[in-house]
Amino acid sequence: DAGVTQSPTHLIKTRGQQVTLRCSPKSGHDTVSWYQQALGQGPQFIFQYYEEEERQRGNFPDRFSGHQFPNYSSELNVNALLLGDSALYLCASSLRTSGYNEQFFGPGTRLTVL
Amino acid sequence: GENVEQHPSTLSVQEGDSAVIKCTYSDSASNYFPWYKQELGKRPQLIIDIRSNVGEKKDQRIAVTLNKTAKHFSLHITETQPEDSAVYFCAASKSNFGNEKLTFGTGTRLTIIP
Repeated sequence: DAGVTQSPTHLIKTRGQQVTLRCSPKSGHDTVSWYQQALGQGPQFIFQYYEEEERQRGNFPDRFSGHQFPNYSSELNVNALLLGDSALYLCASSLRTSGYNEQFFGPGTRLTVL
Repeated sequence: GENVEQHPSTLSVQEGDSAVIKCTYSDSASNYFPWYKQELGKRPQLIIDIRSNVGEKKDQRIAVTLNKTAKHFSLHITETQPEDSAVYFCAASKSNFGNEKLTFGTGTRLTIIP
C-alpha cells in the first residue's frame, strides 16, 4: 500500500515563473491538504480539497491555486513566483468521513526560487 | 484564527532522561491536538494525538496531556533514546473529524545526548 507520494522531489525556478506540484493520496483517502513549510518553521496550511472542490483556505494569496482530480490526486499551482515562495511544500491526505483524524504527509517538494 | 505557540524551541536531554514540550492554543473551539515528529529531510510523522474529550493519552514512552481550561497541551517522552532526536511539532484543529486544517507550532528541536 503506497503512502502519500509527491512529485517532483526538488524544483528550481526563477522569479516570475509558474510551477505545478503534484500529490497522490494514500490509498483509500479522499481529502488532500497542502502545506508550505519554510526553513525552520512549522507547516502552514494553504488549502484543502475534497470532492474536487476547495473546502478550506489558509492565508495565502490567489497566486496559489489548486485542483483535485476524480482519482483524488491533486495539484498545487503557484504563479508569479517570489523569492519568498522558496519552501518545502507538503501534501497530506486523509479520509474525510472516517472518525479517525490522522493526516498522512508526503515527502514534500523542495521549491527553490532564484 | 487559531494561533499555536510552542516551547522550548530547542531542548537537549541526556539519554534516558525525560523530555517535555509544551504548546498553547488560542481558539477554544479546537478539539484535536496531534504531535508530529520530523527527522531531517523527512516527512512529518504522527506520533500521538489527543481529542478534547480526553485529558491524557499514553503510548509506550510517549504521553500527551491536555488542559482545556488553560488551553495548553504537552508532550512527554520518557527514557529518551538517540533515535528520539528530531524536530517535534504540535498542532491544533477544530473539527469533529480532525482532518480540517492543522495549525502548527513553530517546532522544538530535541537533541538526545548519549
